[in-house]
Amino acid sequence: QSALTQPPSASGSPGQSVTISCTGSSSDVGDYNFVSWFQQHPGKVPKLIIFEVSRRPSGVPDRFSGSKSGNTASLTVSGLQAEDEADYYCSSNLGSDSVVFGGGTKLTVL
Amino acid sequence: EVQLVESGGDLVQPGGSLRLSCGASGFSFRGSWLSWVRQAPGKGLEWVANIKQYGSQTFYVESVKGRFTISRDDTKNSLYLQMNSLRNEDTAVYYCARVYPGSSWPSFDYWGQGTLVTVAS
Repeated sequence: QSALTQPPSASGSPGQSVTISCTGSSSDVGDYNFVSWFQQHPGKVPKLIIFEVSRRPSGVPDRFSGSKSGNTASLTVSGLQAEDEADYYCSSNLGSDSVVFGGGTKLTVL
Repeated sequence: EVQLVESGGDLVQPGGSLRLSCGASGFSFRGSWLSWVRQAPGKGLEWVANIKQYGSQTFYVESVKGRFTISRDDTKNSLYLQMNSLRNEDTAVYYCARVYPGSSWPSFDYWGQGTLVTVAS
């Protein structure tokens, strides 16, 4: 199974909004509503910020939102803050109880 | 407080074996779904294996099938990953992760701090 496709980098200025895409296929993102997004700061453990396409775990600011259209999932970070600078990974259920991750997107806050 | 603590990472030669452990606390371990996810140095995340509650079902990424075995001991609140026939490309930090209760993979809401496995001669 190929990895989901994410842009290698994204950027925005403080206060702006940025959207990161995650493109899969009809066998993963397009077929299941189990898409997650993880934030990882350098040297740190990944943190779940979105699951089941658009649900936020407790404690995650509502500046983070997720959506899906067809085979593409998206993560939007609104009101960018300096601490949002990190790597972001999408992941999808593949069916047959297996998982695929995207290659990751490095978000830079200008 | 939910905690996952991995151990067992080490330097091992190609073809060797290693057993990783993940001790859990702060939640109902018995009914939980758990996974191993790895991250090679400077690279992205890669799913390795899943195990459902009671160890009833296990699932693996193609590249480790037949070499790695995920298991659990609910009496010890522990998750394991037995790794055999290790290859250089298995070098990575290995994380154990829990699935958000009531959800499914990859809703990994808690992660351990990771344990480093280095395969080299």
